[in-house]
Amino acid sequence: DIQMTQSPSSLSTSVGDRVTITCQASEDINNYLNWYQQKPGKAPKLLIYDASNLETGVPSRFSGSGSGTDFTFTISSLQPEDIATYYCQQYNNVPYTFGQGTKLEIK
Amino acid sequence: EVQLVESGGGLVQSGGSLRLSCAASGFTFSNYWMNWVRQAPGKGLEWVANIKEDGSKKYYVDSVKGRFTISRDNAKNSLYLQMNSLRAEDTAVYYCARSNRADYWGQGTLVTVSS
Repeated sequence: DIQMTQSPSSLSTSVGDRVTITCQASEDINNYLNWYQQKPGKAPKLLIYDASNLETGVPSRFSGSGSGTDFTFTISSLQPEDIATYYCQQYNNVPYTFGQGTKLEIK
Repeated sequence: EVQLVESGGGLVQSGGSLRLSCAASGFTFSNYWMNWVRQAPGKGLEWVANIKEDGSKKYYVDSVKGRFTISRDNAKNSLYLQMNSLRAEDTAVYYCARSNRADYWGQGTLVTVSS
């Protein structure tokens, strides 16, 4: 199985900050990498697919980059509504696997 | 509007069975792979299984192989997850999600397995 190592597990941030989350795969996943946002009690929401493509309707302050095994998710200027937990997921090989999640908190 | 609505969750004893359903609307269901993803209370997301558009291919995470069966009925725009020999560690919110990009998710249905 492909292991997805996501870091950090939590992040204390302020409104307006630039936020960066990384995800490392245990093998090449051919850019089949998604990023999701999940708020408490809600289903995950797809933000970025295929490593760098912004899902329709998602604000442009969210972006993704990377290739091969190393990927980065960025929020250019954190807004209050962005407080959530973020997950990466590979879908190159089954079983599809998720990172452990990154919980954003306000300082 | 794309909608996915799960149902069938509940409280079951260890060793018991449940069948989850996911009713799809707002898109051509038969054109998409479909997935089940679960989330144990306070934990992260875990992909459980998926099924090809025509039902000809099915894949599972190792922890549910031989116990869970994914299926679909394209005529009814419905996805199913038959869960047998349930264990306490299967306690989770179960989500259905469209496509391997998981671009749309249902609201989830809670399965609680008591030991």
